[in-house]
Amino acid sequence: DAMVIQNPRYQVTQFGKPVTLSCSQTLNHNVMYWYQQKSSQAPKLLFHYYDKDFNNEADTPDNFQSRRPNTSFCFLDIRSPGLGDAAMYLCATSRDRGLQEGYTFGSGTRLTVV
Amino acid sequence: AQTVTQSQPEMSVQEAETVTLSCTYDTSESNYYLFWYKQPPSRQMILVIRQEAYKQQNATENRFSVNFQKAAKSFSLKISDSQLGDTAMYFCAFMNNAGNMLTFGGGTRLMVKP
Repeated sequence: DAMVIQNPRYQVTQFGKPVTLSCSQTLNHNVMYWYQQKSSQAPKLLFHYYDKDFNNEADTPDNFQSRRPNTSFCFLDIRSPGLGDAAMYLCATSRDRGLQEGYTFGSGTRLTVV
Repeated sequence: AQTVTQSQPEMSVQEAETVTLSCTYDTSESNYYLFWYKQPPSRQMILVIRQEAYKQQNATENRFSVNFQKAAKSFSLKISDSQLGDTAMYFCAFMNNAGNMLTFGGGTRLMVKP
């Protein structure tokens, strides 16, 4: 089945040690999103790629970066994780912008910072 | 900027009964899209139902229906014949007319009791 896959499901990293989360999709969707969801809170958009065009949200910390080497893969890099970065990170895709079809989400990666 | 408010952090319902989850939003746009997403424990977020603001008819998907009141900026979700599998976090979400921003409410945790 076409889907959005996030690896790993659980990630533990040390304070200040760079970490990368990955997302892949078999839907051939143009747009890929990264959301941060802290415990019992709403998901918050960090940034998205429209094809190769990177779009950062104004309040996303510089500590967070993203790469999209091809249509299928998108990575979230946290350069120096702090304790406050512990959260669930959700990857989502949409066929295109402006279609208002809703997004397809992955299962998320839960990041713990120790 | 759009805001989405879910005033009920937690709700519970007996199996087979009906429950309504509330959502209000604030926007200056005349056309937009509204969604309800379901996030079961430790599982991915899935789309439950979608409503286009320019359509007066309320959307329905099997046991799920919405009460969309555009003037009041209200978008509630009704779950009929509740099942144990409906236990999840439910998020109301707003998408702007350009289709490039999905904003979530704070969520309502629903527990269906046997």
